[in-house]
Amino acid sequence: AQSVAQPEDQVNVAEGNPLTVKCTYSVSGNPYLFWYVQYPNRGLQFLLKYITGDNLVKGSYGFEAEFNKSQTSFHLKKPSALVSDSALYFCAVRSTGANNLFFGTGTRLTVIP
Amino acid sequence: DGGITQSPKYLFRKEGQNVTLSCEQNLNHDAMYWYRQDPGQGLRLIYYSQIVNDFQKGDIAEGYSVSREKKESFPLTVTSAQKNPTAFYLCASSMTRGETQYFGPGTRLLVL
Repeated sequence: AQSVAQPEDQVNVAEGNPLTVKCTYSVSGNPYLFWYVQYPNRGLQFLLKYITGDNLVKGSYGFEAEFNKSQTSFHLKKPSALVSDSALYFCAVRSTGANNLFFGTGTRLTVIP
Repeated sequence: DGGITQSPKYLFRKEGQNVTLSCEQNLNHDAMYWYRQDPGQGLRLIYYSQIVNDFQKGDIAEGYSVSREKKESFPLTVTSAQKNPTAFYLCASSMTRGETQYFGPGTRLLVL
């Protein structure tokens, strides 16, 4: 069985500060992990993914995520938040043997000017 | 939103009516997906298709139907059997099943 937890419904951060959006997962086998961002009334945009290799993955718009196997986490990070980063962020996972993605419930990020 | 288009942007359904949501992609992707998004519930998979003329039920297929007659197109019909259809519907595609999915802009379905 696959599952994803995004423990925070809402994250607020001041502009220019570092941001973290948390994600933990549960899969049987090795995980494939994804982050997507959604702006109001829009589809999801792909940010980055972890398949294998380096635990630190760099993606679009200055975002990065760190895969931590022992903590089963894949937190999304950015060194300096922009107001334009305010959006809904989704973590998703699939196991090596599965083909469909399982999405978390989303975290709303608000960057305060 | 890449090369995936969804239409219409807004759709209104009357009681007892079937409505069809369009999804077209020009990415030459084999796999296509339909998701339903409700507030606070993330995305739930309705149907997916790995190849033309083949499709499989997802987690919440009841009250929905699909077809995949062309590689580029994967329309979703919301039937009258779906008693709570109000939601944001997202179509996605991937090169093959399991690869990174790319999403369309979505269709918001409302009930009159």
